[in-house]
Amino acid sequence: KAGVTQTPRYLIKTRGQQVTLSCSPISGHRSVSWYQQTPGQGLQFLFEYFSETQRNKGNFPGRFSGRQFSNSRSEMNVSTLELGDSALYLCASSPSGGNTGELFFGEGSRLTVL
Amino acid sequence: QKEVEQDPGPLSVPEGAIVSLNCTYSNSAFQYFMWYRQYSRKGPELLMYTYSSGNKEDGRFTAQVDKSSKYISLFIRDSQPSDSATYLCAMSVGSGYSTLTFGKGTMLLVSP
Repeated sequence: KAGVTQTPRYLIKTRGQQVTLSCSPISGHRSVSWYQQTPGQGLQFLFEYFSETQRNKGNFPGRFSGRQFSNSRSEMNVSTLELGDSALYLCASSPSGGNTGELFFGEGSRLTVL
Repeated sequence: QKEVEQDPGPLSVPEGAIVSLNCTYSNSAFQYFMWYRQYSRKGPELLMYTYSSGNKEDGRFTAQVDKSSKYISLFIRDSQPSDSATYLCAMSVGSGYSTLTFGKGTMLLVSP
């Protein structure tokens, strides 16, 4: 069974640009969550989608947005990039979205903002 | 004070040692407790999952939860060099959906 796939794996942007990251969950998983990981703050929850609906959102500014498609694939977008947005962005899927903690993570998209 | 505190390490041990990793937390509403392992340049993978207080054993790994002290532990017996990774504790309140609060992780180095 294929795992969670995230693209691109690495990318470099400059301040003010925008970026779109993609996530394909494990087949059959309907819930997709996004986390930001930095050395200073660790893993922080961005948002969670289930059946194309955002069910939960973390404490991030409106520059961070996401969506989920009918095939459960998800994208997140960061507009007007800032240096502090440099991080590893992790996508995780789970079968039902229930709060069991059984999240299956992808390998992440490492974003560098110059 | 952060909701979940975890010593960043690194924690260096020789092969075969018993390793103890710990987290403390402040939110008494947390009910689900997890340990994830993250190798360099990889995403976290779920190691152990426990609900409420008590112990859970899986092979060389034992997870303990003490809700009265707001303290959770992961023990690794007979540690191996392949156990070298960052270990993240995570917890949730049991409501909401797939929202976990993570510790910052402890880096473990097991030397042959």
